[in-house]
Amino acid sequence: TQLLEQSPQFLSIQEGENLTVYCNSSSVFSSLQWYRQEPGEGPVLLVTVVTGGEVKKLKRLTFQFGDARKDSSLHITAAQPGDTGLYLCAGARGGSNYKLTFGKGTLLTVNP
Amino acid sequence: DSGVTQTPKHLITATGQRVTLRCSPRSGDLSVYWYQQSLDQGLQFLIHYYNGEERAKGNILERFSAQQFPDLHSELNLSSLELGDSALYFCASTKVQSGSYGYTFGSGTRLTVV
Repeated sequence: TQLLEQSPQFLSIQEGENLTVYCNSSSVFSSLQWYRQEPGEGPVLLVTVVTGGEVKKLKRLTFQFGDARKDSSLHITAAQPGDTGLYLCAGARGGSNYKLTFGKGTLLTVNP
Repeated sequence: DSGVTQTPKHLITATGQRVTLRCSPRSGDLSVYWYQQSLDQGLQFLIHYYNGEERAKGNILERFSAQQFPDLHSELNLSSLELGDSALYFCASTKVQSGSYGYTFGSGTRLTVV
């Protein structure tokens, strides 16, 4: 059983469309992070959220941490081909926050 | 360039062999984490070192071992390799012992066992 479930697994959209990807768990996390990974590269940190209900914006990307700190969402407005990549969520849990547990990711393709 | 250096970038070897993957953390970072990424399992935590000492082990096979040296670089040793060990291996670094504020990843080593 995956601790962090991401959905959808694959998403293919046209440039200019909006989209939301989800990261869900039955466990509580002390913090949750989103990364983007491009082919042949390591994941790159986009954002960290630590407070239940927290919303952070990074240009066209909006991240939300659930009130109960068990889930998160990433919304992209007016997607561009440069947004293409694997989006990973990762959580740190209080007693073992030395390591991150990763979801399997959402593979996003934005077509021109 | 993230500041975390992994070598080699690609490695092709035969079953039964032993390989060593190397990671130099970002300047000033004391923690090194190793992860294995495969298509079916995603990113799986292997092991964590902080300032030369092992802090935690995850899903690391007994055939795998690691260490962190006084200059803080780390090596992951994989022995008696099997076809199923083919994967991307990433290291990541942080300044502190906690991953709560995010990792900086290297660009990975792609291991192919034939």
